This record gives sequence, C-alpha cells and structure tokens, in this order.
Amino acid sequence: AQKITQTQPGMFVQEKEAVTLDCTYDTSDPSYGLFWYKQPSSGEMIFLIYQGSYDQQNATEGRYSLNFQKARKSANLVISASQLGDSAMYFCAMREIQGAQKLVFGQGTRLTINP
Amino acid sequence: DGGITQSPKYLFRKEGQNVTLSCEQNLNHDAMYWYRQDPGQGLRLIYYSQIVNDFQKGDIAEGYSVSREKKESFPLTVTSAQKNPTAFYLCASIISTGAMNTEAFFGQGTRLTVV
Repeated sequence: AQKITQTQPGMFVQEKEAVTLDCTYDTSDPSYGLFWYKQPSSGEMIFLIYQGSYDQQNATEGRYSLNFQKARKSANLVISASQLGDSAMYFCAMREIQGAQKLVFGQGTRLTINP
Repeated sequence: DGGITQSPKYLFRKEGQNVTLSCEQNLNHDAMYWYRQDPGQGLRLIYYSQIVNDFQKGDIAEGYSVSREKKESFPLTVTSAQKNPTAFYLCASIISTGAMNTEAFFGQGTRLTVV
C-alpha cells in the first residue's frame, strides 16, 4: 500500500546550519513522484522540490536538495544554510503514476530555526 | 494568472447543516484532490478525481461528498453525517494523470468551524 512516513515530529536547528528532514515511503508502483512542501503558519502549501522515481540524479532547487535513495525507499530533504524564515511545517508526499494515482502525505515535521 | 481558488476562506456551520466548499482551477489540470488537516497534523485525503464525472474515495471519505461535472471545478460538501468537521480543508490539482514531472498546486484553504 502507498504510504509516506516522517519520523521527526519536530526539529530545532541553529540558523545557518544545514538540516535534514527524513522521509521514507512504500509503494509497489515502479513509477512514482516524490514531493516536498513547506507550510508556514498561514496554512499555504509551498512547493519546494520534486524527484521522479526514474531520475538518475538527486533533485536540487536553490538551498533545497533531495537525497533520494531508491533501494532504501527514502527521500530526505536537505536544507543548506538554514534561515529564520525556514521555520515551518514540512511535508513529504508521493504520487503513484500507474496505480490509483493518489497524492498522499506524511505527518509532517515542524522545523524551528533558532537565531 | 493561472491558479487554484478555494472559497470561502473562513466558514462557520451550525451542527446538522450541510456546507459546500468551492475549489476552482484554471490550470487545465486533470486531477484534483481534497484534503483535511487538523491542527499540527498531516494532510489526509478525502476524495480525488482524475477525470470529469469520475472520483474516488480517499482515506477519510465518510461524511463528505464531491462532484466533478466540469474539469475546472471540484466542490466538496461536508454533510451533517461528518461527526467532527471543524478543520482546515485544502484542495489541490495536478496537471496530468500520467505525467511524472509535475507539481501539485494548492488553494489557500478553507477553515471550517462548527458553532
């Protein structure tokens, strides 16, 4: 069954440090996409980065990179040089391409950046 | 500008009433999704639709109903059968049911409160 697991309910990081947010997934579909979203206190969902299951290289978008380890079924988000504005909830999500094509989310990680 | 619009932003419902949340997109996206989010929690899938006149139940469909009569519209009705409807509701859309490299776009959300 399609499932996303985020095991870190909360994380506290000093400003300017790098941070890794964990995400593992489960699927039997060989074709799938993995997403990371940021949700500030306003509630809006901000798209950060995408990784396709057939992509050979890890995705990067500015300070965000996705550490994709297919054999381990993990898709960790790495934020380099964290900023105070990075404080928010972060969600990992997956969408199967061939199966039910649901877009399912993990429980999220609340990231707090300390000055 | 293309986007996805949810209305209203805030909604108050008396117990026993049905209410309908609007979700409209002008992105020409095929797939649309409804999620429920409780405070500090992740997004749980209520219903999703990949094509006009067709939709599937998500993980928490009981007490909710949807329709997809037009490609751009996917309204959600919260019925009186939903025992605890107070929550934040998010609508999302994605461009194509078969596409790999895609971003899911979100509306700004509707905050529903039962009074």
